Amino acid sequence: QVQLQESGPGLVKPSETLSLTCSVSGGSVSSGNYYWSWIRQPPGKGLEWIGYLYYSGSTYYNPSLRSRVTISVDTAKNQFSLQLTSVTAADTAVYFCARGGGGPPHYWGQGTLLTVSS
Amino acid sequence: EIVLTQSPGTLSLSPGERATLSCRASQSVTSSYLAWYQHRPGQAPRLLIYGASSRATGIPDRFTGSGSGTDFTLTISRLEPEDFAVYYCHQYGTLPWTFGQGTKVEIK
Repeated sequence: QVQLQESGPGLVKPSETLSLTCSVSGGSVSSGNYYWSWIRQPPGKGLEWIGYLYYSGSTYYNPSLRSRVTISVDTAKNQFSLQLTSVTAADTAVYFCARGGGGPPHYWGQGTLLTVSS
Repeated sequence: EIVLTQSPGTLSLSPGERATLSCRASQSVTSSYLAWYQHRPGQAPRLLIYGASSRATGIPDRFTGSGSGTDFTLTISRLEPEDFAVYYCHQYGTLPWTFGQGTKVEIK
């Protein structure tokens, strides 16, 4: 059974860069026909897909965030990460990592709250 | 991008009743790549339906997905106490992938 767990600083100052990590167990980030995604949910709002990293290393980002987002992988640690630059209060959200393969994201982490505040 | 509009925003029902949730897309969803998720507070979203009508592993048969093109429906035949949650539709056929804004199913 694949399990994903997000981790991050919890609090980031405006204009800084947020970095979140998703640790994967029960499967490898570098094998299989899988898409590794980041999705977020601002307080009181719905889900927003941020982007994905394909197992081959290719990425696709939501155009609304493309200029600020990078998703990368660390195969040695079996993790993938999200970096979002120049954050504002609008980036305050619960951030989820998820895995899908040939379909929608199936396995999700529990989510981690990231607050942007000075 | 494809905008998904869910209705109603909130559905107030009693256990044992039938729930019908709607998801309308701004353009046709490629190959019916439409999924439904259940989301309870503080938990990971749970995949219920993919491909518009296929149940994910372990999902009870009281959950039924239907539709094609731009109009999709999730039906919960008889609400159980654990079914009261927020439900999202999600299209994964056209990039960027998008989600609906959610329908909250609450206890009446």
